[in-house]
Amino acid sequence: ENVLTQSPATLALSPGERATLSCRASQSVTGYLAWFQQKPGQTPRLLIYDASNRATGIPARFSGSGSGTDFTLTISSLEPDDFAVYYCQQRSSWPLTFGGGTKVEI
Amino acid sequence: QVQLVESGGGVVQPGRSLRLSCAASGFTFSDYGMHWLRQAPGKGLEWVAIVWYDGGKKYYTDSVKGRFTISKDNSKNTLYLQMNSLRAEDTAVYYCARDLKSGSFDYWGQGTLVTVSS
Repeated sequence: ENVLTQSPATLALSPGERATLSCRASQSVTGYLAWFQQKPGQTPRLLIYDASNRATGIPARFSGSGSGTDFTLTISSLEPDDFAVYYCQQRSSWPLTFGGGTKVEI
Repeated sequence: QVQLVESGGGVVQPGRSLRLSCAASGFTFSDYGMHWLRQAPGKGLEWVAIVWYDGGKKYYTDSVKGRFTISKDNSKNTLYLQMNSLRAEDTAVYYCARDLKSGSFDYWGQGTLVTVSS
């Protein structure tokens, strides 16, 4: 299976700062990578699909980039509502897999 | 608006069975593939299974192959997960989700908790 490794595990930042989250795949996923946000006690929410496409209703401060095995989620200026866990996920091959998550904390 | 509502979770002994349901509304259910995913307490997300829009294809993660069966009833707008031979490691919140582009998830239900314990 395609193993996704996210780094760092925890990112401590302040509101207004820029967040850069990384996701590395053990095998190429071409551009078939998504990012999800999950807040405590809530359902995951799709942010980005196919590496760089924002999902419906997602603010422009969220952007995704990358291809092949290396991907980045950038939050240009953190809002208080953005402190959460972020997961990457690939749909290039079965089984579908997720990274272990990056916690963005204050 | 898209709504997905899971039901059927609960406490079950190891080796027993449980069937989860996911009632869908707000979209044309027969046009979409559907997934089950799970999240063990305090852990990350794990994909479990997908069923194609017409029920024609199904894929599973290795740990549930031969024990779990995903199905959908397009006449009832309902997705199912039949879980047999349950193990302690199947304990998790189970989510149903609508398929996006044959392998991602654009809408999720609120989840139903399955606890496998004697």
